[in-house]
Amino acid sequence: SQKIEQNSEALNIQEGKTATLTCNYTNYSPAYLQWYRQDPGRGPVFLLLIRENEKEKRKERLKVTFDTTLKQSLFHITASQPADSATYLCALPPGGSYIPTFGRGTSLIVHP
Amino acid sequence: EAGVTQFPSHSVIEKGQTVTLRCDPISGHDNLYWYRRVMGKEIKFLLHFVKESKQDESGMPNNRFLAERTGGTYSTLKVQPAELEDSGVYFCASSQEIPGNSGNTIYFGEGSWLTVV
Repeated sequence: SQKIEQNSEALNIQEGKTATLTCNYTNYSPAYLQWYRQDPGRGPVFLLLIRENEKEKRKERLKVTFDTTLKQSLFHITASQPADSATYLCALPPGGSYIPTFGRGTSLIVHP
Repeated sequence: EAGVTQFPSHSVIEKGQTVTLRCDPISGHDNLYWYRRVMGKEIKFLLHFVKESKQDESGMPNNRFLAERTGGTYSTLKVQPAELEDSGVYFCASSQEIPGNSGNTIYFGEGSWLTVV
């Protein structure tokens, strides 16, 4: 079955730097991959979706890449701010489904 | 526009009791999903409604869980009888289209936190 791997260790960076989070998956390539943000005690908030035929997607300070050969997506936040501190979740549909399955997420902490 | 709303936000019940969680999706969203996150684990899919029909209930853990969406509007998730391992946060989400299509945003509620003691 599809497995989604996100770094369980928190990522600590300094304000103004670029944060890069990784999502790796096993087995088959999904039709799309999503990134969500989750704050403590809140529900996930959808950020970006990238399709299997797209290599890169941007939205304001966010950039997502999708490498189906490496089976990996990278999520970048440029000019990071303390307000970007949250857990970021990668989600993609398992084979035979269109419903996203979530990784455990990576916590990002941006220090002022 | 109101988002996805869930009720109750927190619930503490004893093992063996029944709890019913309610979800009101965004108006006009035919697709409604239930997910849950138990302590230390990832968010896991439970089931998917399209209007009032269960499209995919492959994630429902066992027959103690019953989800309904009568009339295709709000949905309820009943746990009866509740067990200790059911503790966690139950998320409801809705979308206009199924993921991957245009209009592909899934909107989540804030979750219903369930503690079974």
